[in-house]
Amino acid sequence: NAGVMQNPRHLVRRRGQEARLRCSPMKGHSHVYWYRQLPEEGLKFMVYLQKENIIDESGMPKERFSAEFPKEGPSILRIQQVVRGDSAAYFCASSPLTGISYEQYFGPGTRLTVT
Amino acid sequence: DAKTTQPNSMESNEEEPVHLPCNHSTISGTDYIHWYRQLPSQGPEYVIHGLTSNVNNRMASLAIAEDRKSSTLILHRATLRDAAVYYCILRDGLETSGSRLTFGEGTQLTVNP
Repeated sequence: NAGVMQNPRHLVRRRGQEARLRCSPMKGHSHVYWYRQLPEEGLKFMVYLQKENIIDESGMPKERFSAEFPKEGPSILRIQQVVRGDSAAYFCASSPLTGISYEQYFGPGTRLTVT
Repeated sequence: DAKTTQPNSMESNEEEPVHLPCNHSTISGTDYIHWYRQLPSQGPEYVIHGLTSNVNNRMASLAIAEDRKSSTLILHRATLRDAAVYYCILRDGLETSGSRLTFGEGTQLTVNP
């Protein structure tokens, strides 16, 4: 059973461009979470999605960031008009069910560099 | 979210046991205690979790104080591969907020050969 897959692993964008980060959850998992780790900082929750629904986006910046998890295909984290402060590692996690006793399985991350 | 307190760093020697402490004095009755670790340049990895009783799995053991205000992650024989940042996380009993993981600073574990 393949783990959580993220692509690309490394992404370089110039200021003002768009960044699209993809996450394919583990097989059978319908819950996806995105986290961001800024340089020299801890991991911060961004958004929690189920298929076709955003459940909790309390950690998402109000502007330029959006996320989706369509019925078919991977989850996408989209950052419009990137700025240097968006440079970070973005991790996706998935779980088969939700609830406090279920662990989350993390992908290897996408490292975004904005030049 | 209830807060956890961990030492910033700890050191161990290879092949020796490691006890990583975590204080969570404001824990609520329905909070689960989760441990994750993050190896360098990798995504976090689940280690273990528990509610009240001590727990064992192939990776580690979790010892939970009787009053649940603290817990200890035990690695029975540290290897160089165990060098990582270890995070102690409380997961809220509420359905929605409990679904996210709130990472603190964690403990940077160094394993000496």
